[in-house]
Amino acid sequence: KAGVTQTPRYLIKTRGQQVTLSCSPISGHRSVSWYQQTPGQGLQFLFEYFSETQRNKGNFPGRFSGRQFSNSRSEMNVSTLELGDSALYLCASSPRGGHGSPDTQYFGPGTRLTVL
Amino acid sequence: QQQVKQSPQSLIVQKGGISIINCAYENTAFDYFPWYQQFPGKGPALLIAIRPDVSEKKEGRFTISFNKSAKQFSLHIMDSQPGDSATYFCAASRRTNAGKSTFGDGTTLTVKP
Repeated sequence: KAGVTQTPRYLIKTRGQQVTLSCSPISGHRSVSWYQQTPGQGLQFLFEYFSETQRNKGNFPGRFSGRQFSNSRSEMNVSTLELGDSALYLCASSPRGGHGSPDTQYFGPGTRLTVL
Repeated sequence: QQQVKQSPQSLIVQKGGISIINCAYENTAFDYFPWYQQFPGKGPALLIAIRPDVSEKKEGRFTISFNKSAKQFSLHIMDSQPGDSATYFCAASRRTNAGKSTFGDGTTLTVKP
């Protein structure tokens, strides 16, 4: 099976712009989670989608949003970009997202976002 | 509020030595504790995971030790190899909600040949 893919791999934006990142989970996986990774804050949970519904949300401002499509692919959007949004954005998929039993989360390579 | 504290931040070990990384958690509702390994330019990959009903789990050279009363768990890498040089993250979640994990800040391990 192909792994989790994320596009684009690198992105440079300027303050105030908005950005959309895409994640394609492993085939058959229904849960997609997004994390922000920065040197100072480690991996911070953004949100999780399961069967097109947001099931969990982390402590990020409303500028961060996401959605999941019927084929389980997910997008996250960041509006009004700030310098502090520069980070590696990681997507992880799992078959059921732990519902009923623990599932392994498989991470993609991430999208490196730089805000100038 | 950081719910999972990881130490040390960096670790240098000689080839063949034992690498030990420690984590402590606060939320007693956590009941699933995975460790991830991340190489530069890659996403984290699951290494080994443990549930709190066991005190130790071993897979090859990697062992998790778990102390429920102290709310601590640790990763031991035996016979450390240069190929083990990577960043290691501990994490915690609820088994019924493993899609939302809380991560430690990571430990950068360097194994010198």
